[in-house]
Amino acid sequence: AQSVSQHNHHVILSEAASLELGCNYSYGGTVNLFWYVQYPGQHLQLLLKYFSGDPLVKGIKGFEAEFIKSKFSFNLRKPSVQWSDTAEYFCAVNNDYKLSFGAGTTVTVRA
Amino acid sequence: DTGVSQNPRHKITKRGQNVTFRCDPISEHNRLYWYRQTLGQGPEFLTYFQNEAQLEKSRLLSDRFSAERPKGSFSTLEIQRTEQGDSAMYLCASSLDRVSPLHFGNGTRLTVT
Repeated sequence: AQSVSQHNHHVILSEAASLELGCNYSYGGTVNLFWYVQYPGQHLQLLLKYFSGDPLVKGIKGFEAEFIKSKFSFNLRKPSVQWSDTAEYFCAVNNDYKLSFGAGTTVTVRA
Repeated sequence: DTGVSQNPRHKITKRGQNVTFRCDPISEHNRLYWYRQTLGQGPEFLTYFQNEAQLEKSRLLSDRFSAERPKGSFSTLEIQRTEQGDSAMYLCASSLDRVSPLHFGNGTRLTVT
């Protein structure tokens, strides 16, 4: 079964700073990878996904993620964060029929 | 809004009582999932349906938990004889097929006193 590890529990940064959140998954063959975001008081929303092809995936709101197969990683990045990026971020891997989620990283952006 | 709808949003119950939650998925979605999320953790898979068939149940799902999706549309999750450890956010999600992203509802927050 797939498992997902997120390196940072809580990240605090200032507006315009760059963001990188780490995500590693356990090997299990072909993987589909996702990043979900949960803004305060809202439901989980898809940020971006990787199925195949270009390992650099672009998502909504200026986010991108890079799939590095050799490192079993799928790190999320944003060059310049805004206060509105304050949220909880979850990495997930598709275990054929269901998603397995990491524990999440809380990102706090200071204005 | 034609997203995933969950009711109720909040439920407070006393230990030992039964509770039932409802989920209405996006109408054309065949797959429906239940997850549980506790503070500081990511969502944990409980069970999922392909149309009306329940295809997988997690080991997390004790015998006190039962889920149904009788007509392949809405689903219910029942917890019998609730325990304080059942306190959590219960999330429902739906997807078009095996590989499509999941669309989540706002969840039902259960508090067992």
